[in-house]
Amino acid sequence: QVQLEQSGAEVKKPGASVKVSCKVSGFSLTELSTHWVRQAPGKGLQWLGGFDPEHGETIYAQAFQGRVSMTEDTSTSTAYMELSSLRIEDTAVYYCATSPRSGPTIETFHIWSQGTMVTVSS
Amino acid sequence: DIQMTQSPSSLSASVGDRVTITCRTSQNIGRHLNWYQQKPGRAPDLLIFAAFRLQSGVPSRFSGSGSGTDFTLTISSLQPEDFATYYCQQSSSTPRTFGPGTKVDIK
Repeated sequence: QVQLEQSGAEVKKPGASVKVSCKVSGFSLTELSTHWVRQAPGKGLQWLGGFDPEHGETIYAQAFQGRVSMTEDTSTSTAYMELSSLRIEDTAVYYCATSPRSGPTIETFHIWSQGTMVTVSS
Repeated sequence: DIQMTQSPSSLSASVGDRVTITCRTSQNIGRHLNWYQQKPGRAPDLLIFAAFRLQSGVPSRFSGSGSGTDFTLTISSLQPEDFATYYCQQSSSTPRTFGPGTKVDIK
């Protein structure tokens, strides 16, 4: 069973960057597609990007192009999401979510982490 | 981008009620539609994938139907633990987009 453990809450000033980690256990990171989804307080869910197994690459939502970077360290089974040039409106809970790279749930966000609260405030 | 709408945005229901939530997409997505349940302060959980396939461990009172642009999530007999917000999400193309959510609360 996949388990995800995210890093702790962050408080950042506008213009700064934040890097959130997501440690995977119970499954090899190379057998999973990792995605990042955020949720502003009281709002809905927004996909930032993730690994596309069909094309073998990480795809970013256009809204975050140039500001977001998603990487993986297979030696520590940890995925990272870095968001730069932070704005007040980037205040949200950031979730990592994974799905198997093959099988019936390949297109879903199958397993979710507990989330990391990122607060952007001056 | 594929736009998603859900209706209603919220509803009040009683334990034992049959509840239906509708999701519409701006383009034909076949059956590339998933449903999630989110309780306050928690991450979403996958309920239904590929429009009608029940995720392992999800009670059979949940069901999904539809294809193309119109989809439905049905809870056949609402239970106390089902009071939550429900989101649809399309996996037909990137960016992956979510519906705005339907909050189900206690009447």
